Amino acid sequence: EPEVTQTPSHQVTQMGQEVILRCVPISNHLYFYWYRQILGQKVEFLVSFYNNEISEKSEIFDDQFSVERPDGSNFTLKIRSTKLEDSAMYFCASSQGVALEPQHFGDGTRLSIL
Amino acid sequence: KQEVTQIPAALSVPEGENLVLNCSFTDSAIYNLQWFRQDPGKGLTSLLLIQSSQREQTSGRLNASLDKSSGRSTLYIAASQPGDSATYLCAVKEWNNNDMRFGAGTRLTVKP
Repeated sequence: EPEVTQTPSHQVTQMGQEVILRCVPISNHLYFYWYRQILGQKVEFLVSFYNNEISEKSEIFDDQFSVERPDGSNFTLKIRSTKLEDSAMYFCASSQGVALEPQHFGDGTRLSIL
Repeated sequence: KQEVTQIPAALSVPEGENLVLNCSFTDSAIYNLQWFRQDPGKGLTSLLLIQSSQREQTSGRLNASLDKSSGRSTLYIAASQPGDSATYLCAVKEWNNNDMRFGAGTRLTVKP
């Protein structure tokens, strides 16, 4: 069964550095998402992406964050000037449609900011 | 603002029991509701998706129901097995935005 794959599985970065988290969505999916889960807290929506542009973003997704689909297969989340509170599990998801089809999630990237 | 609550936070049952996990949401104007399973250190596996117009969905030993007017969904697991041990999350998608709101999950332990 097709999967959403995320790399790396664990990223350790010094505070203030930039990180890029990578995702390969399922190939025939059109909608892409990033979520995060701070340890012990709920999964939180960050951003959705469709037709090469952001379709929705949460209040968490401020100017520190950006997303890109640099080619036909990758979907990236960039976090600039990382802060301690950015430490979390970041999940990428994709779906064929926006409402009728389920979102499929990757295994996540654990981001640790030191 | 939509709030999603899951009760109980944790549940431990002996193998073979039937069980019900609960999910409630504050705003009934939802597009769909999705149940996920999360294993430790892993991503979310989609179990069932219920559209707002539907009352229930079934997959194998799992049955999810939706009562939109009362803001509730239940996930019924029949004949539980140790392999069902995981955290179960529900998430709702609203009509007017693209994100999903998640509950905090129910951590299920099925003892052999």
